[in-house]
Amino acid sequence: EDQVTQSPEALRLQEGESSSLNCSYTVSGLRGLFWYRQDPGKGPEFLFTLYSAGEEKEKERLKATLTKKESFLHITAPKPEDSATYLCAVQDENSGYSTLTFGKGTMLLVSP
Amino acid sequence: DVKVTQSSRYLVKRTGEKVFLECVQDMDHENMFWYRQDPGLGLRLIYFSYDVKMKEKGDIPEGYSVSREKKERFSLILESASTNQTSMYLCASRPQGTYEQYFGPGTRLTVT
Repeated sequence: EDQVTQSPEALRLQEGESSSLNCSYTVSGLRGLFWYRQDPGKGPEFLFTLYSAGEEKEKERLKATLTKKESFLHITAPKPEDSATYLCAVQDENSGYSTLTFGKGTMLLVSP
Repeated sequence: DVKVTQSSRYLVKRTGEKVFLECVQDMDHENMFWYRQDPGLGLRLIYFSYDVKMKEKGDIPEGYSVSREKKERFSLILESASTNQTSMYLCASRPQGTYEQYFGPGTRLTVT
């Protein structure tokens, strides 16, 4: 059974204080790993897809990296508007209909 | 930009009522999904559809049914609403040949 574990569950940062969120996963074969951002009361917003170990993607203050067992979402010099819950999901290459398995998310709060 | 819309942002229904949640996407995506999201449990897949009139059960289909009569529209039906179906319901769509899912804004359903 595919598993996705995100840590920490919650993270509080000061504005400008860089940090990383972790997503560890267990799949029989990884087809893709996805990062989403979710604001309170809204649907998840797609951020990145990573396909293979060593791959990196960047968007503004966010950088996602991937190894064979985990992914990191690095947040550089965060601002209060980066406050949100960040979700990680994986797609198993043996999943017949290409469904995603989601982690429970990391709630990030950036204080001014 | 991909746009996924859901018929209501907030809905309050009584126990035993039949409830319809509608989702529409404007990007001609073949695949559509219904999730529910609960604190501490994350996103759980209820049903998905990979083509018109086709549907597959997800991880928690009990108490729900779906309908997809047109490619752009995917409906979730609660045949007889119960209080344990109080939740945030999220619809997503995905084009064939890619793996990223795009989410709607969500419907917060309360069953009293």
